[in-house]
Amino acid sequence: GAVVSQHPSRVICKSGTSVKIECRSLDFQATTMFWYRQFPKQSLMLMATSNEGSKATYEQGVEKDKFLINHASLTLSTLTVTSAHPEDSSFYICSAIDTRTSGGRETQYFGPGTRLLVL
Amino acid sequence: GQQLNQSPQSMFIQEGEDVSMNCTSSSIFNTWLWYKQDPGEGPVLLIALYKAGELTSNGRLTAQFGITRKDSFLNISASIPSDVGIYFCAGLVSGGSNYKLTFGKGTLLTVNP
Repeated sequence: GAVVSQHPSRVICKSGTSVKIECRSLDFQATTMFWYRQFPKQSLMLMATSNEGSKATYEQGVEKDKFLINHASLTLSTLTVTSAHPEDSSFYICSAIDTRTSGGRETQYFGPGTRLLVL
Repeated sequence: GQQLNQSPQSMFIQEGEDVSMNCTSSSIFNTWLWYKQDPGEGPVLLIALYKAGELTSNGRLTAQFGITRKDSFLNISASIPSDVGIYFCAGLVSGGSNYKLTFGKGTLLTVNP
């Protein structure tokens, strides 16, 4: 089946530094990828939709200058948390749509998540 | 924006019991999806429902897409300890360049052996 990977799986950084998280579709191409954030005991909240070769679409309340998204190829999207602060600590999950699925049956596969802790 | 009401928030059951959880929405979805998430992992798709009224099974799991397209339920029969986890419903609106998945708040399932 389709696999989505994320790297790193967990990262600890100092406040004020930037952290880059990679999301890759391993055996399929993904025109569209998504980035979610999940706080403990809460549901997944969509942060942004990432389209290959174009600017990401951010959800209301998500700062585009703080959460930089680059979808440079059909298999890679990156999320950079700039000038991270403790309140940015969360579980970040990406997902990707398999371009082979369509017609209202697009299948979205999720990565294993990245745990970010900002000290 | 669209909101999903998922219930119950948590369930504690004995191994072998059946489980039912549901989601309702104030708006219509094209597709209903049910995911399971284990601690520290991403969600894994269990069942996808594409048509109103559709009833689909995946092993011990059965899910239905409500006729009104505003609700869905998931049943787990003869629960086992490995069914423990958080179950999320998700509603999908898609069409053209629009594609958005909205998640329910989740149901935490605990199975006592």
